[in-house]
Amino acid sequence: ETGVTQTPRHLVMGMTNKKSLKCEQHLGHNAMYWYKQSAKKPLELMFVYNFKEQTENNSVPSRFSPECPNSSHLFLHLHTLQPEDSALYLCASSTGQGESNIQYFGAGTRLSVL
Amino acid sequence: GQNIDQPTEMTATEGAIVQINCTYQTSGFNGLFWYQQHAGEAPTFLSYNVLDGLEEKGRFSSFLSRSKGYSYLLLKELQMKDSASYLCASMDSNYQLIWGAGTKLIIKP
Repeated sequence: ETGVTQTPRHLVMGMTNKKSLKCEQHLGHNAMYWYKQSAKKPLELMFVYNFKEQTENNSVPSRFSPECPNSSHLFLHLHTLQPEDSALYLCASSTGQGESNIQYFGAGTRLSVL
Repeated sequence: GQNIDQPTEMTATEGAIVQINCTYQTSGFNGLFWYQQHAGEAPTFLSYNVLDGLEEKGRFSSFLSRSKGYSYLLLKELQMKDSASYLCASMDSNYQLIWGAGTKLIIKP
């Protein structure tokens, strides 16, 4: 148990569906992250929130829409996805400060787009 | 540019020692992380190095050479449960992590 919980663990959706991924952290951290993990590729940073403010958006397509209502919760809203968006989506949190900015990860949501 | 290289896959024998190498090119380098990820599970933090040298934590040790842009993770007395992917990541000047693709370690009896 890492202190970061993601739901659902698995999701299958069609290209016209709208769904949301949820992440919750119980570590008292101020920064939260969304990553995409595809097989045999490096983790791709998608979004970063620091004290609820978005500080990074790495050229992510608008069909992915993040929301951070407070420092403990992070959502990723999905709509009109493409088959190439199928991947493991990981959420992480950290103190967001200092040099030892250790990130703690959730177990991820395995997304399949049909 | 920013780049991390590590081997795709390694195989080792239970009870032996294995060294997983990582080379990096990172602007404004602020340290090097190693994470372990079992299949279907969250990546979990193993080590952080910012100064040159070896850091030992039980069966796992991590080494950093800033001048060479090089790190390694050393696993001793290998156990079957050490079968996992090991992710190397460097931290840049904005304290963001740049990740390698991971090394899948297979432990054989």
